Amino acid sequence: QVHLVQSGAEVREPGASVRVSCKPSGYTFTGYYIHWVRQAPGQGLEWMGWINPNSGGTKFAQNFQGRVTMTRDTSISTAYMELSRLRSDDTAVYFCARGNYYDSSHYFDYWGQGTLVTVSS
Amino acid sequence: QSVLTQPPSASGTPGQRVTISCSGSSSNTGSHTVNWYQQLPGTAPKLLIYINNQRPSGVPDRFSGSKSGTSASLAISGLQSEDEADYYCVAWDDSLNGWVFGGGTKLTVL
Repeated sequence: QVHLVQSGAEVREPGASVRVSCKPSGYTFTGYYIHWVRQAPGQGLEWMGWINPNSGGTKFAQNFQGRVTMTRDTSISTAYMELSRLRSDDTAVYFCARGNYYDSSHYFDYWGQGTLVTVSS
Repeated sequence: QSVLTQPPSASGTPGQRVTISCSGSSSNTGSHTVNWYQQLPGTAPKLLIYINNQRPSGVPDRFSGSKSGTSASLAISGLQSEDEADYYCVAWDDSLNGWVFGGGTKLTVL
């Protein structure tokens, strides 16, 4: 059974950084991309980027380039998303999701429970 | 303003059939497959339909998806109270070189 377990809620001041972890289980960690998606309070979903846990390669959405870092530690099968220079509008629930594909079509099939990041002074 | 356009709300009575539309452009829904997610209040999104019309195991066949040109649709037949949730479409966008979501549709079961 596939599960993605994320780290707990965080509170940061504006200008600080935050790192959220995502630990999948139930499959080979290096076999599937990990995507990060966020949702501001009462708002829709926004894709942030992905990491290939096998190579460490990443791709980021234009809105986050320069502010987001995605890494992984294959020894403990954990992916990380770090967002820097936080602003109040970064307050959101951050989700990790497993990327899967069939033929050349991709989709996110399993999601973590979400991590609330609150940015406030 | 979301790249993919969904109606902000939809509603129906138990047993009814409702459809939710997702409109995009040639750079996203017109050239890539569409996936749909259901999000119950306070929970993570759940994959409902992938590759336009495929249902993951465990998703009731009351849920179906279709795509024509640059528009996709999610249909829910035999509406149940437990279907009350937010629904999102998503597709890859070649111009933005990233995944784009619809703004979400809040489904109310009257």
